[in-house]
Amino acid sequence: QVQLVQSGAEVKKPGASVKVSCKASGYTFTTYGISWVRQAPGQGLEWMGWITPNNDNTNYAQKFQGRVFMTTDTSTSTAHMELRRLRSDDTAVYYCARNGRVAQADYWGQGTLVTVSS
Amino acid sequence: QSALTQAPSVSGAPGQRVTISCTGSSSNIGAGYDVHWYHQLPATAPKLLIYGNNHRPSGVPDRFSGSKSGTSASLAITGLQAEDEGDYLCQSYDNNLRGWVFGGGTKLTVL
Repeated sequence: QVQLVQSGAEVKKPGASVKVSCKASGYTFTTYGISWVRQAPGQGLEWMGWITPNNDNTNYAQKFQGRVFMTTDTSTSTAHMELRRLRSDDTAVYYCARNGRVAQADYWGQGTLVTVSS
Repeated sequence: QSALTQAPSVSGAPGQRVTISCTGSSSNIGAGYDVHWYHQLPATAPKLLIYGNNHRPSGVPDRFSGSKSGTSASLAITGLQAEDEGDYLCQSYDNNLRGWVFGGGTKLTVL
């Protein structure tokens, strides 16, 4: 069965960077894109961007351009999302999700809480 | 503000039917992009409920159905059950933003 397992919670200081990983299993990793979506406390979902593992093409939301970097490691079927120059309003749960055939998020990771606090 | 607009809350009694709407614009739903729906319980990841406007993934009961018209989409839930409580979120693609957009979510309470 398809599974996306994310790395554990992180606590970072403002200005630092965080890197979240998402290990996929149960399907051919290079066949589907991976999106990253975040959810601030009590807020809705916010799409950050996606990456296609077969060629590492990326599409980042304009809001995060220059601060977010998505990569993949096909040897371990793992996607990574690095967010730099963290601010307090980056505190959120970060999810990875598999891009389905019609641009839906058909499987989700369990989420990674990133807390940014001085 | 979210690119897709949803009412903050809706409620219904067990066994009743409720609908949840999602209003977009000419750059997303109105441009013909598919709408997808998710169900999210507190402190858990969203779960895909409806994809491609009206298709149910395997395992989703036929009590859930989706539709789309113009710049809006709707999710209907019939035969409400207590386990249906939670947040329902819509999602589409926006060609101005060149990425996914989500609704703010509608919280369903089963009375």
